[in-house]
Amino acid sequence: QQQVKQSPQSLIVQKGGISIINCAYENTAFDYFPWYQQFPGKGPALLIAIRPDVSEKKEGRFTISFNKSAKQFSLHIMDSQPGDSATYFCAASSQTGANNLFFGTGTRLTVIP
Amino acid sequence: NAGVTQTPKFRILKIGQSMTLQCTQDMNHNYMYWYRQDPGMGLKLIYYSVGAGITDKGEVPNGYNVSRSTTEDFPLRLELAAPSQTSVYFCASSSPFRREKLFFGSGTQLSVL
Repeated sequence: QQQVKQSPQSLIVQKGGISIINCAYENTAFDYFPWYQQFPGKGPALLIAIRPDVSEKKEGRFTISFNKSAKQFSLHIMDSQPGDSATYFCAASSQTGANNLFFGTGTRLTVIP
Repeated sequence: NAGVTQTPKFRILKIGQSMTLQCTQDMNHNYMYWYRQDPGMGLKLIYYSVGAGITDKGEVPNGYNVSRSTTEDFPLRLELAAPSQTSVYFCASSSPFRREKLFFGSGTQLSVL
């Protein structure tokens, strides 16, 4: 059972466009929502994260939007660049219990020059 | 500043063989994890450890074993390899002060034929 559902599976965006990746969860105990970025042949690396006490967090061109009532969150990449081409994973965890991360299935982003 | 180091990078096993995937970190992190990554499935937690001598099962532990005799090392043992264990394996670590930020190694690509 997939704890975090992610879409789309793949995304092609032109340079300068906006990339949007969506995730949804069911477990209301989740209280930490990170996004990881993975380049081919590398391990994932933390990109940006949000906690449910805020509805939006922005770091440079990357923004997380969080909708607690809908149990959804999304990653927006503004002014997408070819260097942003990578696989993006959303994830969620709860500080209670084991506090382990549950990952989405990933979105392969390609930014066309 | 090596971070998380995994060896080997690639390996081909025959069905029924055994092997150990090595993982070491030099950040003095208490928490360490093993994930497997399959196409379209995201990352699934196999085992994790909260410190030397303490390990616990994740989502998909069957067919694997771990040990944690030191803070630095967290090897993953495959006994009686099966084709279903063909995957990319990632080791990760995190600090107790910011447990949710995982640092990943570059992965081991394993094929069982």
